Amino acid sequence: KNEVEQSPQNLTAQEGEFITINCSYSVGISALHWLQQHPGGGIVSLFMLSSGKKKHGRLIATINIQEKHSSLHITASHPRDSAVYICAVRAGADGLTFGKGTHLIIQP
Amino acid sequence: KAGVTQTPRYLIKTRGQQVTLSCSPISGHRSVSWYQQTPGQGLQFLFEYFSETQRNKGNFPGRFSGRQFSNSRSEMNVSTLELGDSALYLCASSPGPAETQYFGPGTRLLVL
Repeated sequence: KNEVEQSPQNLTAQEGEFITINCSYSVGISALHWLQQHPGGGIVSLFMLSSGKKKHGRLIATINIQEKHSSLHITASHPRDSAVYICAVRAGADGLTFGKGTHLIIQP
Repeated sequence: KAGVTQTPRYLIKTRGQQVTLSCSPISGHRSVSWYQQTPGQGLQFLFEYFSETQRNKGNFPGRFSGRQFSNSRSEMNVSTLELGDSALYLCASSPGPAETQYFGPGTRLLVL
């Protein structure tokens, strides 16, 4: 069973700061997902990665398969980035296994 | 395209009852997955369906079941409800298995 660990659990930062959220997993995977959940429950898929790096706007996601580690970066953070960020992994044809999430608050 | 829709959005049941939740995927998507989210356990995988076949199932008791219809719509059923089944149930669709998932707004179930 894959174990997914995220750090930090909670993060409060000032607007404009560079944010990094980390995700580690224990078993080899076929894909890693980064999800964003706003208060009220809605979940948006930000990235799906199997190798390398992806960028979308101010968001960057990287993955190191050998080290079983991924990072999500937010550049020039903004209060609207405040949300829970969740890492999830898929091993083979299994369903997703989720981390506990990182609660991010960006203060103006 | 319309997004993933789930009905009902809110539901209150009592212990021992059963419940059926419905999910309509994005048009053209043939894969539907279900998840349970609770404050204590976070998000947990329930089932994944593709073309009416269950591809895999999470570690949940047999009281949890689901199905997918020929139009890709999916339902999940929980029988003999327990207090611990109170949760947000999320459905997500994708064009095929293991592709980027699009989540619905969820059904919030409260078991009294």
